[in-house]
Amino acid sequence: AQRVTQPEKLLSVFKGAPVELKCNYSYSGSPELFWYVQYSRQRLQLLLRHISRESIKGFTADLNKGETSFHLKKPFAQEEDSAMYYCALLYNFNKFYFGSGTKLNVKP
Amino acid sequence: EPEVTQTPSHQVTQMGQEVILRCVPISNHLYFYWYRQILGQKVEFLVSFYNNEISEKSEIFDDQFSVERPDGSNFTLKIRSTKLEDSAMYFCASSDELAGVTDTQYFGPGTRLTVL
Repeated sequence: AQRVTQPEKLLSVFKGAPVELKCNYSYSGSPELFWYVQYSRQRLQLLLRHISRESIKGFTADLNKGETSFHLKKPFAQEEDSAMYYCALLYNFNKFYFGSGTKLNVKP
Repeated sequence: EPEVTQTPSHQVTQMGQEVILRCVPISNHLYFYWYRQILGQKVEFLVSFYNNEISEKSEIFDDQFSVERPDGSNFTLKIRSTKLEDSAMYFCASSDELAGVTDTQYFGPGTRLTVL
């Protein structure tokens, strides 16, 4: 069965520090993975997806099939990065499985 | 920039009552989704809808749930007989192409459903 695990409910870092939000997945097929972000009082929005291999707002995520991971990284966290981050797996035709989310708190 | 809208923002209902949650997807989008998020828990996929029919649904989406696109703009989620455990935030989303491969899903702000 498919599963997405985000082991940290809360991650607190200081501004300028590196940040890594962990995501591990379980899926027998070829995974398509995403990171979604929800800023305070805003709607859920796509941050990035592994297939496009892009960097958005300084964030990157590399799919590691050997470790079944898709960790989100940023070398220097900013206060405006504080938000809820959800890792999500697309499977079957058009179904999404979301992780439980990690709240990132960037302290000044 | 076009956005997905949802009404109402908050719905309170009595257990056993029917509710209809409404969504207006982005106008040229073809794929529509409903998700729910129980307070403090993860976002859960309910159903996806394309070409006037359900394309995927989760185990949560049982016979109590139904979706409809009654006209060219609205996309509704109906819960026939609400239970206490249906209390959650319900999110609608839409995408232009198959989400993920060519395009992203755009989420609405959500409807908070409270079942008393």
